[in-house]
Amino acid sequence: DVKVTQSSRYLVKRTGEKVFLECVQDMDHENMFWYRQDPGLGLRLIYFSYDVKMKEKGDIPEGYSVSREKKERFSLILESASTNQTSMYLCASGYSYEQYFGPGTRLTVT
Amino acid sequence: GESVGLHLPTLSVQEGDNSIINCAYSNSASDYFIWYKQESGKGPQFIIDIRSNMDKRQGQRVTVLLNKTVKHLSLQIAATQPGDSAVYFCAETQGSTSGTYKYIFGTGTRLKVLA
Repeated sequence: DVKVTQSSRYLVKRTGEKVFLECVQDMDHENMFWYRQDPGLGLRLIYFSYDVKMKEKGDIPEGYSVSREKKERFSLILESASTNQTSMYLCASGYSYEQYFGPGTRLTVT
Repeated sequence: GESVGLHLPTLSVQEGDNSIINCAYSNSASDYFIWYKQESGKGPQFIIDIRSNMDKRQGQRVTVLLNKTVKHLSLQIAATQPGDSAVYFCAETQGSTSGTYKYIFGTGTRLKVLA
């Protein structure tokens, strides 16, 4: 079974803090993705990576950056968290057109 | 997640009946279409996919139909069970500059199974 794990299920941060969300996959997948999920808006792609150190912007990259130093790990960084970044963050990994999701991190920025 | 069901269209189905969940997509050039199921507090889980050169594909208790003429996708669940209660998302694929497939997700439909 594919396993995608995210470092925290729930996280509370203050406005202006730097936030790191970590994602690890154990299937040697080339591709990894970060989404945010908000009520009524569905899942929206923030960034994805197709290889180590390679990344591409998704549909809503503003306010976020990513890092992929190792194939199995993909980090999402909020340089200066803001209240409008309160959301559920979902990581996925996969190959070709398939994507497998982690359980999500619910981030609250106060 | 637990709040993903807010503001979503809801389909209520009696246990044992068949369910049909619909989805409209936008990109006529999409190669693949995928259905995901998301239970409360969990990440989306793959159900079934269909390639753009097909119009029907069957899995265990599920069937996906693709109508490219009207850009419509549907998921049929036979003999709906309480464990089918969840939010269902369709996704269409889109190419990227790197050649990686990206997903464009629909906003989802909440399925409620009534005992």
